[in-house]
Amino acid sequence: AQTVTQSQPEMSVQEAETVTLSCTYDTSESDYYLFWYKQPPSRQMILVIRQEAYKQQNATENRFSVNFQKAAKSFSLKISDSQLGDAAMYFCAYRSAPSGANSKLTFGKGITLSVRP
Amino acid sequence: NAGVTQTPKFQVLKTGQSMTLQCAQDMNHEYMSWYRQDPGMGLRLIHYSVGAGITDQGEVPNGYNVSRSTTEDFPLRLLSAAPSQTSVYFCASSRSFAYEQYFGPGTRLTVT
Repeated sequence: AQTVTQSQPEMSVQEAETVTLSCTYDTSESDYYLFWYKQPPSRQMILVIRQEAYKQQNATENRFSVNFQKAAKSFSLKISDSQLGDAAMYFCAYRSAPSGANSKLTFGKGITLSVRP
Repeated sequence: NAGVTQTPKFQVLKTGQSMTLQCAQDMNHEYMSWYRQDPGMGLRLIHYSVGAGITDQGEVPNGYNVSRSTTEDFPLRLLSAAPSQTSVYFCASSRSFAYEQYFGPGTRLTVT
């Protein structure tokens, strides 16, 4: 079974600075997908970024980018120019690719990010 | 476009009561899932469905039932509520395994 580990329960960043959130995972599969989700106080789960394991290029979405290290099974999220609205809980998630029966997402326990003005 | 909708948003039950959490999506997605979120535990999969008429168990299925008679709806039934089922419940859907899941707004359930 796949596992996702987010070892830092909390992090803090100064507004306008850059912060990196760590995530590692364990799998024996070669083809899979990785996601970062944001959960603000409203409770809504919002997709931040998505990475396909077969792609070597790191995904980027505006101020959000990932550092995907497949051999190390590491998938960190970098937030540049942090804004107050980035304060939320962030979840790293893994999804198997090859079979519809394994289409479930496996989540890490999350990290709470606070942004200091 | 409503996306994924869940009702109710809040619910209080007494131990032993039964109820159904409703979930619907209007995106014609094949895949639907139910998760529960507990403090310090992340989201854990309860049940999921890969299409109408097909469901399977996730990580924490005990005490819950599901069915999928239509593509749009995926209700979650609590058979006999227990305090351990106090949690926030999320329904999610996606086009296929290759795509991100879209989440509903969640239901906060308290069992006393």
